[in-house]
Amino acid sequence: GAVVSQHPSRVICKSGTSVKIECRSLDFQATTMFWYRQFPKQSLMLMATSNEGSKATYEQGVEKDKFLINHASLTLSTLTVTSAHPEDSSFYICSALGTSQTDTQYFGPGTRLTVL
Amino acid sequence: EDKVVQSPLSLVVHEGDTVTLNCSYEVTNFRSLLWYKQEKKAPTFLFMLTSSGIEKKSGRLSSILDKKELFSILNITATQTGDSAIYLCAGTSYGKLTFGQGTILTVHP
Repeated sequence: GAVVSQHPSRVICKSGTSVKIECRSLDFQATTMFWYRQFPKQSLMLMATSNEGSKATYEQGVEKDKFLINHASLTLSTLTVTSAHPEDSSFYICSALGTSQTDTQYFGPGTRLTVL
Repeated sequence: EDKVVQSPLSLVVHEGDTVTLNCSYEVTNFRSLLWYKQEKKAPTFLFMLTSSGIEKKSGRLSSILDKKELFSILNITATQTGDSAIYLCAGTSYGKLTFGQGTILTVHP
């Protein structure tokens, strides 16, 4: 099956710093990638849809200036949490649309962000 | 606004029991219903359902979709402790997923 990786898997940072999370599709090209966040014992909440070569589409309530998304190539999308605060602490998961079953999203392993 | 509702929200059973997880959806331009299993990290794909009434099976897991009633179920027979996880369903519309809240399944030995 399709493989998606994320880096780093865990990050701890001080309040006010910026954190970049990378999402890579390892064995397929992904024109569309998605970024989710998940709080403990809650479901995944879509933050934004990232299309290669164009601006990301953000969901209502998600600040685009705070969560910068760049999808510069068909295998890489990045999410930068700018000026992170403790309330940004969460589990961030990316996914990529598979090429053979276009509605199936393959998820990365997730990044646990803790902001002190 | 698209909406996916799962029930029950949590379920505790013993090994060997059979469980049925429910998922109802209201998704504009609906294309498919996906089931995922989430343990400690990100969700892993289980099934994609696009047609009504056709059961998909994988080992002890099976799932079916009713597009008239906007409903899907996931069955797990002869449950094992390794089945303990959060089970998520999601409705898709042109690649975008709307997730339900998830069902937390706990299987005791």
